[in-house]
Amino acid sequence: GAVVSQHPSWVICKSGTSVKIECRSLDFQATTMFWYRQFPKQSLMLMATSNEGSKATYEQGVEKDKFLINHASLTLSTLTVTSAHPEDSSFYICSAPTSGRVTDTQYFGPGTRLTVL
Amino acid sequence: GIQVEQSPPDLILQEGANSTLRCNFSDSVNNLQWFHQNPWGQLINLFYIPSGTKQNGRLSATTVATERYSLLYISSSQTTDSGVYFCAVATSGTYKYIFGTGTRLKVLA
Repeated sequence: GAVVSQHPSWVICKSGTSVKIECRSLDFQATTMFWYRQFPKQSLMLMATSNEGSKATYEQGVEKDKFLINHASLTLSTLTVTSAHPEDSSFYICSAPTSGRVTDTQYFGPGTRLTVL
Repeated sequence: GIQVEQSPPDLILQEGANSTLRCNFSDSVNNLQWFHQNPWGQLINLFYIPSGTKQNGRLSATTVATERYSLLYISSSQTTDSGVYFCAVATSGTYKYIFGTGTRLKVLA
């Protein structure tokens, strides 16, 4: 199957700093990627849709100025958590469909665990 | 928006037992996938199954789209099957997956 990678796997930062998380499609091109957040013992919540060459679209309740998304190439999307606070500590996961068809399998990255002290 | 409910929320099995996990959704869907989330958080694709029945080894899945539910069957469970199982659905014309509430499975040796 297709491979999606994320970097870093985990990160610990101080409150007030910014953290960048990368999501890469390794063996396919992805014009669209998705970012999810998962709190402990909860389900995954969609945060935003990352579109190559255009602005991301955010789900209701997600602060776009806090969670900056850049999809600069067909294989890379980045999520930057700006001015991180302890409540931003979470597991962040990206995904991408392998084709332009809406009826297609999505592949998920291994996730990034963020801890804000 | 669409609601996705899974049952049971928690399940404890003895190794070798069979189980059925259910995913109910409140609207028509184009896409449906089942995932196993391992203890490290990685989501493992199990099935892409917007309709019909599929089997892969000890696992099988059935989606009845007209009745808005999907079932995941695990036979002869093993301790490595432990983890959280999610279904995720996408409605017409979109890739945006809405995840279900999850079933936390623990298989005892």
